[in-house]
Amino acid sequence: ELKVEQNPLFLSMQEGKNYTIYCNYSTTSDRLYWYRQDPGKSLESLFVLLSNGAVKQEGRLMASLDTKARLSTLHITAAVHDLSATYFCAVERETGNQFYFGTGTSLTVIP
Amino acid sequence: DSGVTQTPKHLITATGQRVTLRCSPRSGDLSVYWYQQSLDQGLQFLIQYYNGEERAKGNILERFSAQQFPDLHSELNLSSLELGDSALYFCASSASGRGLDEQFFGPGTRLTVL
Repeated sequence: ELKVEQNPLFLSMQEGKNYTIYCNYSTTSDRLYWYRQDPGKSLESLFVLLSNGAVKQEGRLMASLDTKARLSTLHITAAVHDLSATYFCAVERETGNQFYFGTGTSLTVIP
Repeated sequence: DSGVTQTPKHLITATGQRVTLRCSPRSGDLSVYWYQQSLDQGLQFLIQYYNGEERAKGNILERFSAQQFPDLHSELNLSSLELGDSALYFCASSASGRGLDEQFFGPGTRLTVL
Protein backbone atom coordinates (compact mmCIF):
# COMPACT_ATOMS: atom_id res chain seq x y z
CA GLU A 1 0.00 0.00 0.00
CA LEU A 2 1.18 3.47 -0.81
CA LYS A 3 2.37 5.33 2.27
CA VAL A 4 2.45 9.09 2.62
CA GLU A 5 4.43 10.60 5.46
CA GLN A 6 4.39 14.20 6.50
CA ASN A 7 6.70 15.91 8.87
CA PRO A 8 6.59 17.54 11.16
CA LEU A 9 3.22 16.52 12.58
CA PHE A 10 3.07 19.64 14.70
CA LEU A 11 4.70 22.95 13.97
CA SER A 12 4.67 26.04 16.10
CA MET A 13 6.35 29.01 14.56
CA GLN A 14 6.61 32.72 15.13
CA GLU A 15 5.15 35.27 12.81
CA GLY A 16 7.59 36.40 10.20
CA LYS A 17 9.60 33.19 10.16
CA ASN A 18 10.04 30.72 7.30
CA TYR A 19 9.52 27.00 7.47
CA THR A 20 9.04 23.94 5.28
CA ILE A 21 6.66 21.01 5.59
CA TYR A 22 7.77 17.77 3.96
CA CYS A 23 5.70 15.09 2.28
CA ASN A 24 7.33 11.78 1.37
CA TYR A 25 5.55 9.01 -0.45
CA SER A 26 6.45 5.42 -1.11
CA THR A 27 5.58 4.71 -4.72
CA THR A 28 5.70 6.31 -8.11
CA SER A 29 3.21 9.07 -8.64
CA ASP A 30 3.14 12.17 -10.75
CA ARG A 31 0.29 13.87 -9.00
CA LEU A 32 0.44 15.46 -5.62
CA TYR A 33 -2.04 17.70 -3.88
CA TRP A 34 -1.87 20.04 -0.92
CA TYR A 35 -4.91 20.92 1.17
CA ARG A 36 -5.61 23.17 4.10
CA GLN A 37 -8.10 22.41 6.85
CA ASP A 38 -9.16 24.92 9.49
CA PRO A 39 -10.44 23.55 12.81
CA GLY A 40 -13.95 22.17 12.44
CA LYS A 41 -14.00 23.02 8.75
CA SER A 42 -13.74 21.26 5.46
CA LEU A 43 -10.69 20.95 3.23
CA GLU A 44 -9.57 23.65 0.89
CA SER A 45 -7.47 22.75 -2.12
CA LEU A 46 -4.22 24.71 -2.20
CA PHE A 47 -2.06 23.24 -4.95
CA VAL A 48 -2.14 20.55 -7.60
CA LEU A 49 1.32 19.45 -8.73
CA LEU A 50 1.28 17.35 -11.85
CA SER A 51 4.85 16.78 -12.94
CA ASN A 52 8.40 16.47 -11.75
CA GLY A 53 9.86 19.85 -10.93
CA ALA A 54 6.48 21.53 -10.67
CA VAL A 55 6.45 24.59 -8.47
CA LYS A 56 3.40 26.60 -7.55
CA GLN A 57 3.07 29.66 -5.38
CA GLU A 58 0.13 31.39 -3.80
CA GLY A 59 0.80 34.23 -1.41
CA ARG A 60 3.14 33.07 1.34
CA LEU A 61 2.91 29.41 0.36
CA MET A 62 4.99 27.66 -2.25
CA ALA A 63 4.77 23.98 -3.14
CA SER A 64 7.18 21.90 -5.15
CA LEU A 65 7.37 18.33 -6.36
CA ASP A 66 10.36 16.05 -6.94
CA THR A 67 8.98 12.79 -8.28
CA LYS A 68 12.38 11.14 -8.42
CA ALA A 69 12.91 11.70 -4.71
CA ARG A 70 9.19 11.07 -4.07
CA LEU A 71 9.12 14.28 -2.12
CA SER A 72 6.99 17.37 -2.04
CA THR A 73 7.57 20.44 0.08
CA LEU A 74 5.28 23.21 1.23
CA HIS A 75 7.33 26.27 2.07
CA ILE A 76 5.93 29.01 4.24
CA THR A 77 7.45 32.45 3.91
CA ALA A 78 7.10 35.12 6.58
CA ALA A 79 4.32 33.30 8.39
CA VAL A 80 1.25 35.15 9.59
CA HIS A 81 -1.38 34.06 12.10
CA ASP A 82 -3.95 33.44 9.35
CA LEU A 83 -1.86 30.53 8.11
CA SER A 84 -2.59 28.56 11.29
CA ALA A 85 -4.35 25.39 10.12
CA THR A 86 -3.69 21.74 9.38
CA TYR A 87 -2.03 21.04 6.04
CA PHE A 88 -2.39 17.74 4.24
CA CYS A 89 -0.61 16.37 1.24
CA ALA A 90 -2.24 13.67 -0.85
CA VAL A 91 -0.82 11.45 -3.55
CA GLU A 92 -2.78 10.00 -6.40
CA ARG A 93 -1.68 6.55 -7.40
CA GLU A 94 -0.87 6.26 -11.07
CA THR A 95 -3.27 3.40 -11.56
CA GLY A 96 -6.73 3.26 -10.12
CA ASN A 97 -7.16 6.93 -9.31
CA GLN A 98 -6.81 6.18 -5.61
CA PHE A 99 -5.84 8.98 -3.28
CA TYR A 100 -3.65 8.59 -0.21
CA PHE A 101 -3.41 11.34 2.39
CA GLY A 102 -0.58 12.20 4.71
CA THR A 103 -1.14 12.46 8.44
CA GLY A 104 -1.35 16.21 8.29
CA THR A 105 0.80 18.95 9.77
CA SER A 106 -0.84 21.11 12.40
CA LEU A 107 0.63 24.57 12.06
CA THR A 108 0.28 27.23 14.72
CA VAL A 109 1.68 30.68 14.01
CA ILE A 110 2.38 32.62 17.17
CA PRO A 111 2.23 36.41 17.12
CA ASP B 1 -18.44 28.30 0.01
CA SER B 2 -17.18 25.57 -2.33
CA GLY B 3 -20.52 24.99 -4.03
CA VAL B 4 -20.62 21.39 -2.84
CA THR B 5 -23.46 20.62 -0.46
CA GLN B 6 -23.82 17.74 1.95
CA THR B 7 -26.74 16.66 4.07
CA PRO B 8 -27.23 16.10 6.88
CA LYS B 9 -24.60 18.07 8.77
CA HIS B 10 -24.85 15.87 11.82
CA LEU B 11 -26.16 12.38 12.28
CA ILE B 12 -26.43 10.42 15.50
CA THR B 13 -27.45 6.80 15.34
CA ALA B 14 -27.00 3.47 17.07
CA THR B 15 -24.84 0.49 16.29
CA GLY B 16 -26.32 -1.86 13.73
CA GLN B 17 -28.28 0.85 11.98
CA ARG B 18 -28.08 2.08 8.40
CA VAL B 19 -27.70 5.67 7.26
CA THR B 20 -27.50 7.53 3.96
CA LEU B 21 -25.35 10.57 3.39
CA ARG B 22 -26.07 12.84 0.47
CA CYS B 23 -23.81 15.01 -1.65
CA SER B 24 -24.58 17.47 -4.42
CA PRO B 25 -21.55 18.45 -6.50
CA ARG B 26 -20.78 21.88 -7.86
CA SER B 27 -22.73 22.80 -10.92
CA GLY B 28 -21.05 21.27 -13.96
CA ASP B 29 -18.79 18.89 -12.06
CA LEU B 30 -19.06 15.30 -13.18
CA SER B 31 -16.96 13.58 -10.57
CA VAL B 32 -17.75 12.96 -6.90
CA TYR B 33 -15.35 11.63 -4.29
CA TRP B 34 -16.11 10.38 -0.78
CA TYR B 35 -13.66 10.60 2.11
CA GLN B 36 -13.70 9.57 5.74
CA GLN B 37 -11.83 11.52 8.41
CA SER B 38 -11.35 10.07 11.87
CA LEU B 39 -8.81 10.46 14.64
CA ASP B 40 -7.77 6.82 14.32
CA GLN B 41 -7.47 6.52 10.56
CA GLY B 42 -6.86 10.07 9.47
CA LEU B 43 -8.18 11.05 6.07
CA GLN B 44 -9.08 8.12 3.86
CA PHE B 45 -10.31 8.06 0.32
CA LEU B 46 -13.36 5.84 0.00
CA ILE B 47 -14.67 5.92 -3.54
CA GLN B 48 -14.98 8.03 -6.68
CA TYR B 49 -17.78 8.27 -9.21
CA TYR B 50 -17.61 9.89 -12.58
CA ASN B 51 -20.76 10.67 -14.51
CA GLY B 52 -22.68 7.91 -12.81
CA GLU B 53 -20.04 5.21 -12.93
CA GLU B 54 -17.61 4.02 -10.31
CA ARG B 55 -14.13 5.26 -11.25
CA ALA B 56 -11.90 4.35 -8.30
CA LYS B 57 -12.15 2.56 -5.02
CA GLY B 58 -10.15 3.18 -1.88
CA ASN B 59 -10.47 1.81 1.63
CA ILE B 60 -14.21 1.39 1.52
CA LEU B 61 -15.69 -1.32 3.70
CA GLU B 62 -18.07 -3.88 2.26
CA ARG B 63 -20.75 -2.53 4.62
CA PHE B 64 -20.51 0.78 2.77
CA SER B 65 -21.79 1.48 -0.70
CA ALA B 66 -22.26 4.51 -2.87
CA GLN B 67 -23.88 5.57 -6.08
CA GLN B 68 -24.13 8.58 -8.31
CA PHE B 69 -27.47 9.39 -9.84
CA PRO B 70 -28.31 10.82 -13.29
CA ASP B 71 -28.58 14.31 -11.82
CA LEU B 72 -25.01 13.74 -10.54
CA HIS B 73 -25.78 13.87 -6.85
CA SER B 74 -24.29 11.03 -4.88
CA GLU B 75 -25.26 9.02 -1.84
CA LEU B 76 -23.06 7.08 0.53
CA ASN B 77 -24.84 4.27 2.35
CA LEU B 78 -23.39 2.95 5.58
CA SER B 79 -24.93 -0.16 7.06
CA SER B 80 -24.47 -2.37 10.12
CA LEU B 81 -22.86 0.60 11.76
CA GLU B 82 -20.15 0.12 14.34
CA LEU B 83 -18.72 2.50 16.90
CA GLY B 84 -15.60 2.82 14.77
CA ASP B 85 -17.60 4.26 11.91
CA SER B 86 -18.00 7.49 13.83
CA ALA B 87 -16.19 10.04 11.72
CA LEU B 88 -16.50 13.07 9.51
CA TYR B 89 -17.51 12.14 5.98
CA PHE B 90 -16.62 14.55 3.21
CA CYS B 91 -17.55 14.54 -0.38
CA ALA B 92 -15.69 16.50 -3.02
CA SER B 93 -16.35 17.19 -6.66
CA SER B 94 -14.23 18.00 -9.65
CA ALA B 95 -14.91 18.82 -13.25
CA SER B 96 -13.51 15.80 -15.01
CA GLY B 97 -12.19 13.42 -12.37
CA ARG B 98 -9.00 12.66 -14.27
CA GLY B 99 -6.79 13.95 -11.48
CA LEU B 100 -6.00 17.12 -13.38
CA ASP B 101 -8.64 19.20 -11.70
CA GLU B 102 -8.91 20.80 -8.34
CA GLN B 103 -11.28 19.05 -5.96
CA PHE B 104 -13.82 21.14 -4.08
CA PHE B 105 -14.88 19.78 -0.73
CA GLY B 106 -18.26 19.96 0.92
CA PRO B 107 -18.74 20.91 4.58
CA GLY B 108 -18.95 17.29 5.69
CA THR B 109 -21.38 15.11 7.61
CA ARG B 110 -20.42 14.27 11.16
CA LEU B 111 -21.61 10.77 11.99
CA THR B 112 -21.76 9.62 15.59
CA VAL B 113 -22.54 5.99 16.26
CA LEU B 114 -23.58 5.25 19.86
